[in-house]
Amino acid sequence: GQQVMQIPQYQHVQEGEDFTTYCNSSTTLSNIQWYKQRPGGHPVFLIQLVKSGEVKKQKRLTFQFGEAKKNSSLHITATQTTDVGTYFCAIPPNNAGNMLTFGGGTRLMVKP
Amino acid sequence: GAGVSQSPRYKVAKRGQDVALRCDPISGHVSLFWYQQALGQGPEFLTYFQNEAQLDKSGLPSDRFFAERPEGSVSTLKIQRTQQEDSAVYLCASSLAAAYNEQFFGPGTRLTVL
Repeated sequence: GQQVMQIPQYQHVQEGEDFTTYCNSSTTLSNIQWYKQRPGGHPVFLIQLVKSGEVKKQKRLTFQFGEAKKNSSLHITATQTTDVGTYFCAIPPNNAGNMLTFGGGTRLMVKP
Repeated sequence: GAGVSQSPRYKVAKRGQDVALRCDPISGHVSLFWYQQALGQGPEFLTYFQNEAQLDKSGLPSDRFFAERPEGSVSTLKIQRTQQEDSAVYLCASSLAAAYNEQFFGPGTRLTVL
């Protein structure tokens, strides 16, 4: 089935530093979603990217979808302690269906 | 408005016991998903319903796992003869339409099998 690799697995940053997580697929994706899961919480939808080369911004978060639609990134500018959590990318199946395949996640820890 | 709710939030079972986990999706949401999340891992797909029809159960790890959504709203995930490897957080998610779009997750049920 579909797989997506996500790196890094962990990232410690000082508050105010930037952070980036990357997702890579061996196959072309129709779209990709990003979720955030706070410690002890559940995944919360952040965004969906559909178009080749798409870039979307949400305040300090910038999401990109690669030109070949095989990779994506999430960049956070000037991290804050509220950004702490695990960020997951998620992809649809390559056949009919609606379930998501999640990457392994990048756990972000921010030191104040 | 109410989000997705799940009960119980925590369940401790002795090995061999049967458990039933409940999910109340957002009202009107057609699609309902169950995922299993082990500690430090991403959620892994178990099964998918569109209304009352179970369209995909390819992720269920064994025939001890059974899910239903008889009236197209509330869903129950049942695990028979629980094993220690079943210990995980079970997440339910719903989405508005059958097409691939945003999923709303419930708080999960943390199952611990002793």
